[in-house]
Amino acid sequence: SAVISQKPSRDICQRGTSLTIQCQVDSQVTMMFWYRQQPGQSLTLIATANQGSEATYESGFVIDKFPISRPNLTFSTLTVSNMSPEDSSIYLCSVVWGEAFFGQGTRLTVV
Amino acid sequence: EDQVTQSPEALRLQEGESSSLNCSYTVSGLRGLFWYRQDPGKGPEFLFTLYSAGEEKEKERLKATLTKKESFLHITAPKPEDSATYLCAVQQTGANNLFFGTGTRLTVIP
Repeated sequence: SAVISQKPSRDICQRGTSLTIQCQVDSQVTMMFWYRQQPGQSLTLIATANQGSEATYESGFVIDKFPISRPNLTFSTLTVSNMSPEDSSIYLCSVVWGEAFFGQGTRLTVV
Repeated sequence: EDQVTQSPEALRLQEGESSSLNCSYTVSGLRGLFWYRQDPGKGPEFLFTLYSAGEEKEKERLKATLTKKESFLHITAPKPEDSATYLCAVQQTGANNLFFGTGTRLTVIP
């Protein structure tokens, strides 16, 4: 299995600001995935982050709003930019190591 | 388009009252179907992977089964600590990410 450390675990942010979420994995992995879980909803894939290349974004998500970095095989960041209350969600990073494993999530509240 | 539908949305059981959760799926080429448990404020915790129709897997009070159209998570004699949201997800052949259902929120009452 893979151990994933994600931080911050929660934050309350003002609208119009940005938040960067960090994800550290205890093993080298090719792909890291970022998901969003809106209140009462299931997980929706935002993007796939590959080391050494641009992230691949799913329909409805754009790089200007959710820029992603992947500087090495064990680390990635997701930034939520120019936040609005609609961005209030849990953000999760995930890796596939046989099965998919998840970080503890970042609970973001935008006020 | 991949689709995963879980039912019921919420389920309340008395301790010891066995039941089943349903996950119906539509996917073009199933690589695997996954069950996760999610506690409030935490990320999903892996439970099972099923790869082919007829496959069954068990872990303590949980048993997962798979057909060509749906999967069931059977909970036998549940305890209050089994209270959580149970998520079903499918992985398409050739894909790395998972496509999730909306989950079943299970509450087990002592």
